[in-house]
Amino acid sequence: GNSVTQMEGPVTLSEEAFLTINCTYTATGYPSLFWYVQYPGEGLQLLLKATKADDKGSNKGFEATYRKETTSFHLEKGSVQVSDSAVYFCALSQGAQKLVFGQGTRLTINP
Amino acid sequence: DAGVIQSPRHEVTEMGQEVTLRCKPISGHDYLFWYRQTMMRGLELLIYFNNNVPIDDSGMPEDRFSAKMPNASFSTLKIQPSEPRDSAVYFCASSFPPGTGNTIYFGEGSWLTVV
Repeated sequence: GNSVTQMEGPVTLSEEAFLTINCTYTATGYPSLFWYVQYPGEGLQLLLKATKADDKGSNKGFEATYRKETTSFHLEKGSVQVSDSAVYFCALSQGAQKLVFGQGTRLTINP
Repeated sequence: DAGVIQSPRHEVTEMGQEVTLRCKPISGHDYLFWYRQTMMRGLELLIYFNNNVPIDDSGMPEDRFSAKMPNASFSTLKIQPSEPRDSAVYFCASSFPPGTGNTIYFGEGSWLTVV
């Protein structure tokens, strides 16, 4: 079945550092790919998404490119802020199937 | 739009008591999901509905858990009797068909503590 694997956390960075959170997936065909973010005490909210190969999703300075050849959807940001501290979830959906989430990566940004 | 609305936001209850969590999805969404989040197991899908009909309840942990969706604007997740290991954050979410790239919108969660 479909699955998502994220880099294990927690990840701790200093403000203005470059961020990469790795995400790879297993699926047949062409799933849609998502990054969701969960801030402390809140529910998950969509950060960005890509629905076909080579698409780039972007939002709030974050980017991720749908790479079919490497089955990856890595999240990147050039300069992180303290306010980016949160848990990040990679996810996929396909056909009429439910969304499949990775295990989440906790990110802490120190001033 | 008010988003997905869950209640209660926080509940503390004693072991053996019945717990009912409530959810109002975003108007027009035809999919509704119940998730549970814990430190140990992460985010787990418990059950989801399409047009008020349960489609997949394979994630429901045991018979103590039940979920209903009597109409398009309301769903409940019930735990009877509750146990300390049920302590978790329970999220409700809704969407248009999820497999076509549609976003799933989450509520703010119901934080349950069973003592």
